[in-house]
Amino acid sequence: NAGVTQTPKFQVLKTGQSMTLQCAQDMNHEYMSWYRQDPGMGLRLIHYSVGAGITDQGEVPNGYNVSRSTTEDFPLRLLSAAPSQTSVYFCASSYSARGTGTEAFFGQGTRLTVV
Amino acid sequence: GESVGLHLPTLSVQEGDNSIINCAYSNSASDYFIWYKQESGKGPQFIIDIRSNMDKRQGQRVTVLLNKTVKHLSLQIAATQPGDSAVYFCAENIPNSGYSTLTFGKGTMLLVSP
Repeated sequence: NAGVTQTPKFQVLKTGQSMTLQCAQDMNHEYMSWYRQDPGMGLRLIHYSVGAGITDQGEVPNGYNVSRSTTEDFPLRLLSAAPSQTSVYFCASSYSARGTGTEAFFGQGTRLTVV
Repeated sequence: GESVGLHLPTLSVQEGDNSIINCAYSNSASDYFIWYKQESGKGPQFIIDIRSNMDKRQGQRVTVLLNKTVKHLSLQIAATQPGDSAVYFCAENIPNSGYSTLTFGKGTMLLVSP
């Protein structure tokens, strides 16, 4: 099994550019989420989805959009990149959005630099 | 880019020692807790979990202790090995209108010397 696959692994953007970070899982998981990881800040939740067609905001949603048209895919869009969005981005999926099924499986991350 | 390991609390141990990593969680309604290990350049990996109706759970070389009175979680690693060197995160599962979200601690870096 591939698990959770993120592309690209590395990306450099200029301020104002837009891009989409891809995330796909092959475990038929209900719940998917995006986190950003910054030094000393741990992992912060950007957006999450509890199933196809359902998304919601996390702790730090500003500047990002998501959609969930299929169970497998959960892309994260940066609308107009800013240097403050320089970070490592992780996509995660869980079997369930409830209770003890929420153990998250993570992708390998996308390291984004905005100049 | 700057490593996510910078600015983190660091625990340095010798190979073969037992390690204890602590975590304070924030929400008394949290019903499930998970410890993750993150090696450099990789995504977090599940180590062990514990439900809020338990106070101790053991795995292979790892034990998690939960003290709900003071909202404290600890991860004990027995006979620590150089391969255990990583950043360790605790996460709490917060129920929210039927759905749950995981909230992560800031992490602790474990350095194991041979």
